[in-house]
Amino acid sequence: QKEVEQNSGPLSVPEGAIASLNCTYSDRGSQSFFWYRQYSGKSPELIMSIYSNGDKEDGRFTAQLNKASQYVSLLIRDSQPSDSATYLCAVYTGGFKTIFGAGTRLFVKA
Amino acid sequence: DVKVTQSSRYLVKRTGEKVFLECVQDMDHENMFWYRQDPGLGLRLIYFSYDVKMKEKGDIPEGYSVSREKKERFSLILESASTNQTSMYLCASSGTVGETQYFGPGTRLLVL
Repeated sequence: QKEVEQNSGPLSVPEGAIASLNCTYSDRGSQSFFWYRQYSGKSPELIMSIYSNGDKEDGRFTAQLNKASQYVSLLIRDSQPSDSATYLCAVYTGGFKTIFGAGTRLFVKA
Repeated sequence: DVKVTQSSRYLVKRTGEKVFLECVQDMDHENMFWYRQDPGLGLRLIYFSYDVKMKEKGDIPEGYSVSREKKERFSLILESASTNQTSMYLCASSGTVGETQYFGPGTRLLVL
């Protein structure tokens, strides 16, 4: 069974701090990696995608991928209360299957 | 702007009823998905369609069927609703398998 694991949280950080969200996956053949944000009562929306080892930055968000260690992380710099949401890690393992983690709840305290 | 719409935001049905959930996308995407989302379990794939009239079972297809008669529309059918099908149902589409999925607003279904 291919798996994507995330700490369910909640992760609580003060406003302005760096929030670090982590995800591990079991399938070494995984090809594409995604972070989605889901506000309470809303549907997931893409924040970032990453395909190769290393860092990818987009504004306050940085995705990090380490295929050898099978983990992907999301860093949120200068965290804002509006970043409070559940963050879903998703991994494309091939075929038609993208596996979603159960998500990490993030609270940013003002 | 990318748009995926779902026919209802909230539905209340009785056990044994046949339930239809509709999803429409306007991005000319080949691939469409139906997921259910339950607390602590994440998104679980029910069915996937990669072309008109084509479908593949996901992880939890039991008790569900789907229909894709037109490229933009993907329907999920609960043949005989049961209380354990109470959940949030999310439709998504993508242009290429393995790429970003765009989600509809979701349908929260309560089966009594």
